[in-house]
Amino acid sequence: VIWMTQSPSLLSASTGDRVTISCRMSQGISSYLAWYQQKPGKAPELLIYAASTLQSGVPSRFSGSGSGTDFTLTISCLQSEDFATYYCQQYYSFPWTFGQGTKVEIK
Amino acid sequence: EVQLVESGGGLIQPGGSLRLSCAASGFTVSSNYMSWVRQAPGKGLEWVSVIYSGGSTYYADSVKGRFTISRDNSKNTLYLQMNSLRAEDTAVYYCARGQLVGGMDVWGQGTTVTVSS
Repeated sequence: VIWMTQSPSLLSASTGDRVTISCRMSQGISSYLAWYQQKPGKAPELLIYAASTLQSGVPSRFSGSGSGTDFTLTISCLQSEDFATYYCQQYYSFPWTFGQGTKVEIK
Repeated sequence: EVQLVESGGGLIQPGGSLRLSCAASGFTVSSNYMSWVRQAPGKGLEWVSVIYSGGSTYYADSVKGRFTISRDNSKNTLYLQMNSLRAEDTAVYYCARGQLVGGMDVWGQGTTVTVSS
């Protein structure tokens, strides 16, 4: 099983801030990583796949980087609609696993 | 419009069985890989199972031997047969379409399963 450590679990920020979320793997996964956004009571939405490829329709203020064991999701200029919970997910090997989630809240 | 609609959730006693359905529209289930992901109340996301276009299936250790993923191509519908249900299976269950390039790009609205006596 590949263990994932996502940090921080809670991030307080203001509109316009640049925020970064980290996801660290217990073993290398190349670039087989996705990032999702989830708002309360809603299904997750895919933001990024293959560690750094922006899903169609996702604003360019979202970006992903990393490979191997260390990955980062960056929101360059936080907007009001970005306050949500974010999850990383590895699909390198079974069982697929999700990070514990990062809740981005208004400071 | 590409869409997934889950159904079949409800309240079930421990040890019972339930079958979830996920009806797809706007694309063909059998041409994609399809997953089930669940979320316990107040918790994070947990991957449950996947079925590939070729029919291969994989499961999380927590459900292996109890849950079975399948699809009906004629109905363009994905299923999750859940047996020997436990309290810890209580969750919202989402079905999702997988992209060949990675990630799950289409999700249903979720169906709630509550296992309780």
